[in-house]
Amino acid sequence: DSGVTQTPKHLITATGQRVTLRCSPRSGDLSVYWYQQSLDQGLQFLIQYYNGEERAKGNILERFSAQQFPDLHSELNLSSLELGDSALYFCASSATGTSGAYEQFFGPGTRLTVL
Amino acid sequence: ILNVEQSPQSLHVQEGDSTNFTCSFPSSNFYALHWYRWETAKSPEALFVMTLNGDEKKKGRISATLNTKEGYSYLYIKGSQPEDSATYLCAPSPGGSQGNLIFGKGTKLSVKP
Repeated sequence: DSGVTQTPKHLITATGQRVTLRCSPRSGDLSVYWYQQSLDQGLQFLIQYYNGEERAKGNILERFSAQQFPDLHSELNLSSLELGDSALYFCASSATGTSGAYEQFFGPGTRLTVL
Repeated sequence: ILNVEQSPQSLHVQEGDSTNFTCSFPSSNFYALHWYRWETAKSPEALFVMTLNGDEKKKGRISATLNTKEGYSYLYIKGSQPEDSATYLCAPSPGGSQGNLIFGKGTKLSVKP
């Protein structure tokens, strides 16, 4: 158990809908990262938050957005869903968000299926 | 954007065999190199984080080396066991990236008893 929690574990929805994925980092970790794993793709970095502020953006679509709240939990919002958004979404946390020298702890993931 | 290559894509070995995988990445704009172990139906778990050229890290039967000048890292598993079966991911963290990782597609290891 990494100490990172994600809810829900599974989500099935229809095209055009909007969903919210939730992540709680390990106790004391200030940085949250979101990753997407689609079929035949490696883990793709989406976005990073550090202590409530956006720090880095990766391959995140404009239809997707995220935020980190004062209690440090984070939410990833996916809107106008398309079939291609079906994927496993991971949240990871690390102690700091200013250096790549700290290991990241991954949550169990949310599997999103868009029908 | 870093281009991360891992080889081989998959590997099947017998219990007791020693094995190694390669991760290559552009040597410019490098800050750190992470290795993760990802078992089926679980989430990736950190093995090593290395930053310095010539770094060598070890955890039990698993070790890793780093060459930042030529842009590669090796992961070694000595005396593979069935419980080592997993996908091994390497992920460089680019300089100035604030810590986000660029993952390779991984090497899938299967160890037969």
